[in-house]
Amino acid sequence: KQEVTQIPAALSVPEGENLVLNCSFTDSAIYNLQWFRQDPGKGLTSLLLIQSSQREQTSGRLNASLDKSSGRSTLYIAASQPGDSATYLCAVRMDSNYQLIWGAGTKLIIKP
Amino acid sequence: DAGVTQSPTHLIKTRGQQVTLRCSPKSGHDTVSWYQQALGQGPQFIFQYYEEEERQRGNFPDRFSGHQFPNYSSELNVNALLLGDSALYLCASSLVSVQYEQYFGPGTRLTVT
Repeated sequence: KQEVTQIPAALSVPEGENLVLNCSFTDSAIYNLQWFRQDPGKGLTSLLLIQSSQREQTSGRLNASLDKSSGRSTLYIAASQPGDSATYLCAVRMDSNYQLIWGAGTKLIIKP
Repeated sequence: DAGVTQSPTHLIKTRGQQVTLRCSPKSGHDTVSWYQQALGQGPQFIFQYYEEEERQRGNFPDRFSGHQFPNYSSELNVNALLLGDSALYLCASSLVSVQYEQYFGPGTRLTVT
């Protein structure tokens, strides 16, 4: 059974710092992995999607990497801003399976 | 272009009652998925509807049922509510051919007392 873990559960850093959020999964036979952002009252927004054949994806100040063999993904946020404060979740989709399997998220607070 | 909308925003029910949550998908989307998110946890997949039929189901009891209408909107019904059903219920829509591009609604916060 696939399990997705995100550490730390919460993180507070000063504005301007670069930071890394971690996601690990127990079964490496994934189809793809997605990083989402969740803001209170606004649902979930997809940030980056990495297919199983890819090593990384970039969007603006965000960079997500994937190492299937070790069951790990990282989300790198450069030059953090207060507007980056949110909960970040990673989720995997398994082969021949439609549903997403989610981690519990990392709550990020960027202090001005 | 309206995104995914859900109603109501908040709901308070008593244990044993029944509840219906509603979701309108993003324009052009034909598939609706429902998730339950308990406080401090990631979402858990409940089920997915396509062409008015349940296409896949997660590990939820039969108290959870759904429906999809010809206009692709969907309802989630929960019978015999338990305190543990208190959660944020999220709806996501997509095209059946592009499953990984799911758009999420803001959710319905259900509190069972």
